[in-house]
Amino acid sequence: GAGVSQSPRYKVAKRGQDVALRCDPISGHVSLFWYQQALGQGPEFLTYFQNEAQLDKSGLPSDRFFAERPEGSVSTLKIQRTQQEDSAVYLCASSLIAGGWNTEAFFGQGTRLTVV
Amino acid sequence: GNSVTQMEGPVTLSEEAFLTINCTYTATGYPSLFWYVQYPGEGLQLLLKATKADDKGSNKGFEATYRKETTSFHLEKGSVQVSDSAVYFCAIATGTASKLTFGTGTRLQVTL
Repeated sequence: GAGVSQSPRYKVAKRGQDVALRCDPISGHVSLFWYQQALGQGPEFLTYFQNEAQLDKSGLPSDRFFAERPEGSVSTLKIQRTQQEDSAVYLCASSLIAGGWNTEAFFGQGTRLTVV
Repeated sequence: GNSVTQMEGPVTLSEEAFLTINCTYTATGYPSLFWYVQYPGEGLQLLLKATKADDKGSNKGFEATYRKETTSFHLEKGSVQVSDSAVYFCAIATGTASKLTFGTGTRLQVTL
């Protein structure tokens, strides 16, 4: 597709359930980022991939959060045993070159996760 | 660490009014500065950026100047339109760091 695609757009999970959020970056983009955006806040960094390598996972809030990009294209963010504080919009972004911020990063529309 | 302080909204203006949204930052190292915009129902889009002191980023009539001495990157537009109604985020990134640090966003509502 023409842009970054995320699925599902909306997810409701019961507390304790596991969820998987998918990101399809723009074809050929080397860098991929995940951000978490709580209601009324700016996005906060979770993790960064360069191709299939996860180079920075310093923003993952707990070991319940796990991300992968096994073939250097599609990425999945998994949250185990969801809790109410995990409710947020999860944003994926990709950019063409490694390092990312010397070129434009393109964001998907996000997945809104609600934990009930 | 890096942080961004952004003026709180919502900001409500009449069409053709002058817009300023203030943004200041603290950073380790020499940051690149960005403004992103989120239109209703859409993803974040890069609006403009500046990578060194005194650079001016501009796009769609919006401008922001990298002021190192005041650690600021205020967004301005001389005459806003209803179509500019959106949430605006100031953000920074340092060196080869992979992550953006965002402000909390400012909602702009432009009325006829």
